[in-house]
Amino acid sequence: RKEVEQDPGPFNVPEGATVAFNCTYSNSASQSFFWYRQDCRKEPKLLMSVYSSGNEDGRFTAQLNRASQYISLLIRDSKLSDSATYLCVVLGYGNKLVFGAGTILRVKS
Amino acid sequence: EAQVTQNPRYLITVTGKKLTVTCSQNMNHEYMSWYRQDPGLGLRQIYYSMNVEVTDKGDVPEGYKVSRKEKRNFPLILESPSPNQTSLYFCASSHDQGYYYGYTFGSGTRLTVV
Repeated sequence: RKEVEQDPGPFNVPEGATVAFNCTYSNSASQSFFWYRQDCRKEPKLLMSVYSSGNEDGRFTAQLNRASQYISLLIRDSKLSDSATYLCVVLGYGNKLVFGAGTILRVKS
Repeated sequence: EAQVTQNPRYLITVTGKKLTVTCSQNMNHEYMSWYRQDPGLGLRQIYYSMNVEVTDKGDVPEGYKVSRKEKRNFPLILESPSPNQTSLYFCASSHDQGYYYGYTFGSGTRLTVV
C-alpha cells in the first residue's frame, strides 16, 4: 500500500463547478499535511497547509480527518486557471515529505 | 527574489558519463532535498540534508551522491548514469523541514540517459 494515495483522475469539470479531491495516508503518526499544485512539467508549488480544524483560502477549502486518515480539497467556482495536477503531501516518518501521485483537474469553458 | 535555482534545465547524456546537477537557494534555508518524479509514482526523495555536512538517504538513493559543503548549495551527482535514471528531478529547500511552510522547489531538471 502506498503511503499517500490519491485518485489520479482526470476530473473534467466546467467553469464554475465545485470539485473535490480526496487523499488517504497510511502513517497515523503524520503531523503535517499539505496540498501542492503542479502545472504541466513545472515545479510543485504549495497551495495550502491543512489544519486539523479545516481551513479555507478563498475558493479553496481543505479538511483533515485524522481518525480516518483522510484529507480533502474542495475547489469552488472553478476557473480555467485551476487546471493542474493537485498533489496531496504528508510529512511522514523522519520529517520526510511524502507525495501522492497527484490528481489531474481539467476545467473547461 | 527568494528562489531555488537548478541547472541545467534539460540534459541528455550517455550511460556511464558522470554528471552533476547543481542546486542553490538564496533563502538561508537549512533543509534541502532532492526528488525525482516519474509518471504514476509521484515525487520520491533521493537524498536530503538538514544542514552543512549533514546528509541522509531518502527512498531512492541508489546511483546518486550529494554533498552539502555550503548552506546554499546542494548538488546532485550521478557517478555512472543509467537509463533508469531518466527522470524529472527537483531540488527543494525549507526553513522548517517542511513542518509548517512546506518546501520551495526549483524549476526542475529533465534528464535523459541514453
